[in-house]
Amino acid sequence: QKEVEQNSGPLSVPEGAIASLNCTYSDRGSQSFFWYRQYSGKSPELIMSIYSNGDKEDGRFTAQLNKASQYVSLLIRDSQPSDSATYLCAVMSGDNDYKLSFGAGTTVTVRA
Amino acid sequence: DAGVIQSPRHEVTEMGQEVTLRCKLISGHNSLFWYRQTMMRGLELLIYFNNNVPIDDSGMPEDRFSAKMPNASFSTLKIQPSEPRDSAVYFCASRPRGVYYGYTFGSGTRLTVV
Repeated sequence: QKEVEQNSGPLSVPEGAIASLNCTYSDRGSQSFFWYRQYSGKSPELIMSIYSNGDKEDGRFTAQLNKASQYVSLLIRDSQPSDSATYLCAVMSGDNDYKLSFGAGTTVTVRA
Repeated sequence: DAGVIQSPRHEVTEMGQEVTLRCKLISGHNSLFWYRQTMMRGLELLIYFNNNVPIDDSGMPEDRFSAKMPNASFSTLKIQPSEPRDSAVYFCASRPRGVYYGYTFGSGTRLTVV
């Protein structure tokens, strides 16, 4: 069974700090990895995608992928109150069915 | 690009009634996914279509649930008869062809069955 596990929250960080979110997955053949942000009462919004080992930076967000360890992370630098949301890790399998498996999410609260 | 469009945004219905949720895909996307989200169970994949064809409906909870995709841009999810435990937020999402694309979600339908 394909599983995606995220570090349990909630995660509370002060404004300006780095928020670190972790995710592990069980399907070694997974090819694509995504981070979604979901504000309360809203739909999930894609904020990062990563496909190769290493780091990918986009503004204040950095995604990190280590396929050997089956590990994905998201760093939010200079956290702002507007970053307060639930962050969902999603993994696409390698068997060409294009299904995303989602983690349960980590709720982040940025304290002003 | 208008995004994935869902209707209605909110639906309150009585137990036993039929409910139909609607979804319009982004133009050019060829895969369509229906999800249900609750606090207890998170995001659950109900069914997905590729090129209008249902590929996997193993997440559909019961025969009371059915989904159709009559054309490349539109899908419906029907619950008949509805039950209070069906209360949840239902999302549809679409994606274009290719392994490196994530999903774009619609704004969701909040269903309450009383």
